[in-house]
Amino acid sequence: AQSVTQLDSHVSVSEGTPVLLRCNYSSSYSPSLFWYVQHPNKGLQLLLKYTSAATLVKGINGFEAEFKKSETSFHLTKPSAHMSDAAEYFCVVSVPPGGGNKLTFGTGTQLKVEL
Amino acid sequence: GAGVSQSPSNKVTEKGKDVELRCDPISGHTALYWYRQSLGQGLEFLIYFQGNSAPDKSGLPSDRFSAERTGGSVSTLTIQRTQQEDSAVYLCASSLPPGARDTEAFFGQGTRLTVV
Repeated sequence: AQSVTQLDSHVSVSEGTPVLLRCNYSSSYSPSLFWYVQHPNKGLQLLLKYTSAATLVKGINGFEAEFKKSETSFHLTKPSAHMSDAAEYFCVVSVPPGGGNKLTFGTGTQLKVEL
Repeated sequence: GAGVSQSPSNKVTEKGKDVELRCDPISGHTALYWYRQSLGQGLEFLIYFQGNSAPDKSGLPSDRFSAERTGGSVSTLTIQRTQQEDSAVYLCASSLPPGARDTEAFFGQGTRLTVV
């Protein structure tokens, strides 16, 4: 069975400063990993995905994440936060690779961006 | 269609009534998922369909919940004898088969169910 842990339920940053949202996973097999974003009253949107290719994955809106097998982590980063980044972010694991099985979601991290 | 379509977008029902929620996946997507998102909580897996395989129903919270997928396309989630704790946003997602190049899940806008 797989699981995912988002280490922070809330993160607050100032506009223009770096963002770090932490995610650790557990999986018996090589996982596929995703980050989704959910803006208030909006649907879930895929930010980026890791599917066993490059370990550093670039997504939309300047976000990126690095798959570190030794640390079982897939942290989401952005060099400079923008007000529009305020949303809830979900780390997701899927096994087997390719999303062919059910997606297991983390509990989410609420990102607040302050002026 | 262009994306995953769910209907209705909002549903208010009386406690004890049955409700049906509909999901139209993206054409060609063989995988279909139902999730539930309660206020202030993460996404709770309900059920997963993949092609003609038996669905993974391990997330259904009680026997009041059931889902079917007709013709490998449209899916209906049925909740019988609704309870107030069933109030949540029900999300549907679909994806391409395993082994396809791009297999991320695409989500619908959800159905907000309120049981009064």
